Amino acid sequence: NAGVTQTPKFQVLKTGQSMTLQCAQDMNHNSMYWYRQDPGMGLRLIYYSASEGTTDKGEVPNGYNVSRLNKREFSLRLESAAPSQTSVYFCASNIKRAQGQGGETQYFGPGTRLLVL
Amino acid sequence: ELKVEQNPLFLSMQEGKNYTIYCNYSTTSDRLYWYRQDPGKSLESLFVLLSNGAVKQEGRLMASLDTKARLSTLHITAAVHDLSATYFCAVDVGLGGTSYGKLTFGQGTILTVHP
Repeated sequence: NAGVTQTPKFQVLKTGQSMTLQCAQDMNHNSMYWYRQDPGMGLRLIYYSASEGTTDKGEVPNGYNVSRLNKREFSLRLESAAPSQTSVYFCASNIKRAQGQGGETQYFGPGTRLLVL
Repeated sequence: ELKVEQNPLFLSMQEGKNYTIYCNYSTTSDRLYWYRQDPGKSLESLFVLLSNGAVKQEGRLMASLDTKARLSTLHITAAVHDLSATYFCAVDVGLGGTSYGKLTFGQGTILTVHP
């Protein structure tokens, strides 16, 4: 199993350009997440998808859109990139269990390093 | 709004010494996760703590959860250089068996172990 994969690994954009970050998992997980990591701030949740066909905003959704294409794939789109979106982006997935069945840790992809000039 | 605070943020240790990283959070929760991140790498799951009083141990690391104090600790015993990394705690606001799946992370503790 490849686990969680992300493409691209690195990207440089100019302000105003658009791009889509791709994420796929082969662990049959139903929940998927997008985070950004900035120095000294830990990871912050951008969007998540609890199950196929649903998406919801996280802590910092402004400037981003997402698509849960199918159970395996969850993409993050920057429509008009800004320098403030320079960051490392991580995709994660897990099994979201029903009530009473306990928690499940999230499995993270290798990350995409994005620089917006 | 849930806030998660770790301390210290920077920790320089000598090999063989013991130390504890603290993770405080502001909202009632009974599920907390610890992750490790090596420089330039992804996050690796270390521990999942799902109830008050939960204690997990793996090698030289031991994690515990006190939900009444809203505090988790990561204790390092007899540190070795291979433990040098950034350690994050993350809290899920789910409670009573319900996992919302939305994690709020602490700022991370950068641990450096010196010979």
